[in-house]
Order: sequence, then structure tokens, then C-alpha cells
Amino acid sequence: EPEVTQTPSHQVTQMGQEVILRCVPISNHLYFYWYRQILGQKVEFLVSFYNNEISEKSEIFDDQFSVERPDGSNFTLKIRSTKLEDSAMYFCASSVRQGNSPLHFGNGTRLTVT
Amino acid sequence: DQQVKQNSPSLSVQEGRISILNCDYTNSMFDYFLWYKKYPAEGPTFLISISSIKDKNEDGRFTVFLNKSAKHLSLHIVPSQPGDSAVYFCAATPMRNEKLTFGTGTRLTIIP
Repeated sequence: EPEVTQTPSHQVTQMGQEVILRCVPISNHLYFYWYRQILGQKVEFLVSFYNNEISEKSEIFDDQFSVERPDGSNFTLKIRSTKLEDSAMYFCASSVRQGNSPLHFGNGTRLTVT
Repeated sequence: DQQVKQNSPSLSVQEGRISILNCDYTNSMFDYFLWYKKYPAEGPTFLISISSIKDKNEDGRFTVFLNKSAKHLSLHIVPSQPGDSAVYFCAATPMRNEKLTFGTGTRLTIIP
């Protein structure tokens, strides 16, 4: 069964550094997402992406964050100047269409900011 | 933000019996609901969904019930198996919206 692939599984970075989290969505899916889960908290929406542009973003997704689909298969989340509070599991997801269509999640990247 | 609530943080059920997980929501704009299962060190895995035009959806051992007037949904797993031990999240979204709002999860433990 096709799956969403995320790399790396664990990323450790120093505060103030930039990180790029990578995702390969399911190949026939058209909608892409990033969610995160801070330890002990809910899974929360960050951003959705369709047709090479952001379609919706949450309050969390400020100027520190950006997303890109640099080629036909990868979908990336860049965090500039990381903060301690960015430490979380970051999940990429994709869906085949908008609305009434389940999101399929990758296994996540655990980001630790020290 | 408590738009989706799972009031039971944990649940233990004997193998072979029925597991019932509950979820309440407050936002009347939600009309598509999903259940996800999550093992440690893995991402959420989609289990089953229901749209607001239905009150029940069944897929094998999993059945989701939706009570719109009570703003309540439940997931029934029968019979429960040891491999069902995981954290279960309910999530909700307005139909044309891409943003899922998740509950806090219920840890289900199936006792052999």
C-alpha cells in the first residue's frame, strides 16, 4: 500500500539554526499538509498546500515557516531560526482530493531544538 | 481550543469484547469526522470516517456512529484484538476544509 515517507526520522538542531524537513507524499495525491504534535499535546494543523501554493495556514505558521514542492515528488517544511518551543513531532500528510477524503500521514520527524 | 474532546484518556478492554471510544465536538460547522489509530513512533493511521449525512459507517470490525444532535461520535471495535492496543484520535473538519481538528486521544489497551 502506498505511503507517505518522511526524512529524517529524528533531527537535532541548535536554537537559531535552520532545518528542512522532507516528505514524499503518495504519488497520486494532490493536497499536502504539515501537522505537528508537541509532547503531551494535540496533533495540530500547520499548513495545507495545493497547486503549488499555500491554501490555508494556522496561526502557528508564521514567517519562521515556509513550505515548498521543489519537484514532482518532494514536499518540504523549512523552519528558519529554530526556537526551543519548535521541538515537536512534525507529520506530513497527503490526500487525493479536498473534502470528504482522509488524510494519510507519514511516520513523522522528531525535531529536537537544543 | 477544545472543539474536539475525548474525555477518556485511557480505556482497558478484555480481548474479544467490544471497545467503545467516544468523542464530542462543539463546532456545528464540522461535517466530516475521522478516526485515526497511532502506535508509538509512527504517524496516525486512518481507520474510518463518516460524513454528517450518515449516522453509521461500518468497515469490518470498526463501526463509527454519529449523533449530530448530541454532537457526539463513537468508534466501536468488535471483537477487540491485542493489535488494537494503541492511541485513538478522533478528528473533524468542515466538508470543504482541509484542516483537521484533533482530539487529545484515548489510549486503548486490550488485555489478553
